[in-house]
Amino acid sequence: EDQVTQSPEALRLQEGESSSLNCSYTVSGLRGLFWYRQDPGKGPEFLFTLYSAGEEKEKERLKATLTKKESFLHITAPKPEDSATYLCAVQANSGGSNYKLTFGKGTLLTVNP
Amino acid sequence: GAGVSQSPSNKVTEKGKDVELRCDPISGHTALYWYRQSLGQGLEFLIYFQGNSAPDKSGLPSDRFSAERTGGSVSTLTIQRTQQEDSAVYLCASSYSGREETQYFGPGTRLLVL
Repeated sequence: EDQVTQSPEALRLQEGESSSLNCSYTVSGLRGLFWYRQDPGKGPEFLFTLYSAGEEKEKERLKATLTKKESFLHITAPKPEDSATYLCAVQANSGGSNYKLTFGKGTLLTVNP
Repeated sequence: GAGVSQSPSNKVTEKGKDVELRCDPISGHTALYWYRQSLGQGLEFLIYFQGNSAPDKSGLPSDRFSAERTGGSVSTLTIQRTQQEDSAVYLCASSYSGREETQYFGPGTRLLVL
């Protein structure tokens, strides 16, 4: 069974204080690893897809990296508007249902001014 | 362009009543998904529609849950005889096709069963 574990559950940073969020996964063949951002009362907003170990993607202050066992979401010099819950999900490459996403419980990030 | 839309945004119902939740996917997207997000839990897959193929209902938690998709576009998730444990946010997503495609989510329907 595919599993995704995110840590920490919650992270509080000062504005400008860089840090990383972790997503550990076990999957029967990885098709893709997805990062989403979710603001309170809203649906998840797509950020990145990573497909193979060693791949990196960047968007503004965010950079996502991928190894064979985990992914990191690095946040450089965060701003208060980066406060949100960050969700990690995997899509398996095998079996008949290789379209569904398996999500972690998320990391709640709070950036204080 | 327009994203995924869902209605109602909030629904309060009494235990034992039936509810219907609606999802309008992004135009041109052939794949549609329903997920459930319970307090303190990750998003949980419920059901998947792809074109005219038979839906994958493997994630539906009980036979009180059903879903249909009419004309390859709008989908309705129905929960019969609602229970308090059904209280959650129900999220709909769509993608251009079923595989190797990013799933884009709607804002969700927040269901509270009293």
